[in-house]
Amino acid sequence: GNSVTQMEGPVTLSEEAFLTINCTYTATGYPSLFWYVQYPGEGLQLLLKATKADDKGSNKGFEATYRKETTSFHLEKGSVQVSDSAVYFCALSAAGGYQKVTFGTGTKLQVIP
Amino acid sequence: EAGVAQSPRYKIIEKRQSVAFWCNPISGHATLYWYQQILGQGPKLLIQFQNNGVVDDSQLPKDRFSAERLKGVDSTLKIQPAKLEDSAVYLCASSFRGSWTSGDTGELFFGEGSRLTVL
Repeated sequence: GNSVTQMEGPVTLSEEAFLTINCTYTATGYPSLFWYVQYPGEGLQLLLKATKADDKGSNKGFEATYRKETTSFHLEKGSVQVSDSAVYFCALSAAGGYQKVTFGTGTKLQVIP
Repeated sequence: EAGVAQSPRYKIIEKRQSVAFWCNPISGHATLYWYQQILGQGPKLLIQFQNNGVVDDSQLPKDRFSAERLKGVDSTLKIQPAKLEDSAVYLCASSFRGSWTSGDTGELFFGEGSRLTVL
């Protein structure tokens, strides 16, 4: 079946540090890939997405590139802010039929001033 | 545009009691999902509706959980009787079409969730 594996958290960084959160997936075909973010006390919201190999999704300074050869979709940001503190979920939407979205376990990011 | 609405936001019950959660998806969204998110884990799909039909309920504990989507709009998720391990946040999400043949790429829109504590 489809699955998503992301790095364990929590991740604690100082403000303006570089962020990488690793995500790898297992799926048949060519899924769409997503990063969702969950701020404290809020629901999940889409951060960025990529729908085919070599696509780069970007939003709010975050980027992730769909790498089919390594089945990865790592999230990066060059300079994190305190306001980026949240839980980040990698997810995939399976190709074909009715979409089923599978989530990773989430990585908590804490940015300290 | 109004987002996905859920209620109640919080619920505390004793084990063996029952509880119901309500969800109103974004207008026009054909697909509705209920996820269970246990603390420290990712969301787990319980049930997926396409309009008012069920397309996936393989992970729904059918001996205690039930869900319906009346007229292809609002949905209710019920737990009866509740167990301690049901303590979680229940997330409702919707998407426009939910079908790859339509070109929809699968973005989900989530509500704020309903946090259930079973004592």
